[in-house]
Amino acid sequence: EVVLTQSPDFQSVTPKERVTITCRASQYISNSLHWYQQKPGQSPKLLIKYASQPFSGAPSRFSGSGSGTHFTLTINSLEAEDAATYYCHQSSILPLTFGGGTKVEIK
Amino acid sequence: QVQLQESGPGLVKPPETLSLTCTVSGGSIVTSNFYWGWIRQPAGKGLEWIATLHYTESAQYNPSLKSRVTISVDTSKNQFSLNVRSVTAADTAVYFCARLADGSWYSHIDSWGQGMLVTVSS
Repeated sequence: EVVLTQSPDFQSVTPKERVTITCRASQYISNSLHWYQQKPGQSPKLLIKYASQPFSGAPSRFSGSGSGTHFTLTINSLEAEDAATYYCHQSSILPLTFGGGTKVEIK
Repeated sequence: QVQLQESGPGLVKPPETLSLTCTVSGGSIVTSNFYWGWIRQPAGKGLEWIATLHYTESAQYNPSLKSRVTISVDTSKNQFSLNVRSVTAADTAVYFCARLADGSWYSHIDSWGQGMLVTVSS
């Protein structure tokens, strides 16, 4: 199965800072990599699909890039409401798999 | 806008069977535009894909769970269901039902249920 490794595991950030989260795949997955935001007690919400396509309703400060095995989620000008855990997810190869998550805390 | 809602017992005794149902509203489950799935999340941990279903009842399973899991659909009720047999404490988790977009097994998830905590304990 495709193992997705996210880094960092945790990040404490000041509002208006830029946040970068990395997701590395154990094998080639083209651009079949998606990003979700999950707040405590809630279900995940899709932010970015296919590495760089914003999902409808996602704030424009969220962007994604990458292909192959290396992917990045960027949050430009972090807002307090962005405190959450972020997960990457690959749909190129079954079984579908998720990264371990990156928790973003607001300082 | 589609909505998904999980239902079922919140407490299951080992080694019984965990059974959950997902009711879909705001759209028909009978469509080739979407597939339907289950994902779970143990407390404080990450997400694990369990299975995906097409309304024709063809399904794909996570190999790590395949021997104990069955997923099925009831098109008359616009519902799909999950059964996990021979449960242990390791099956304790929040279970999410979800809609997979793109009309494919190989897809992102564009809609999630709110999740249901299932505890396995005697």
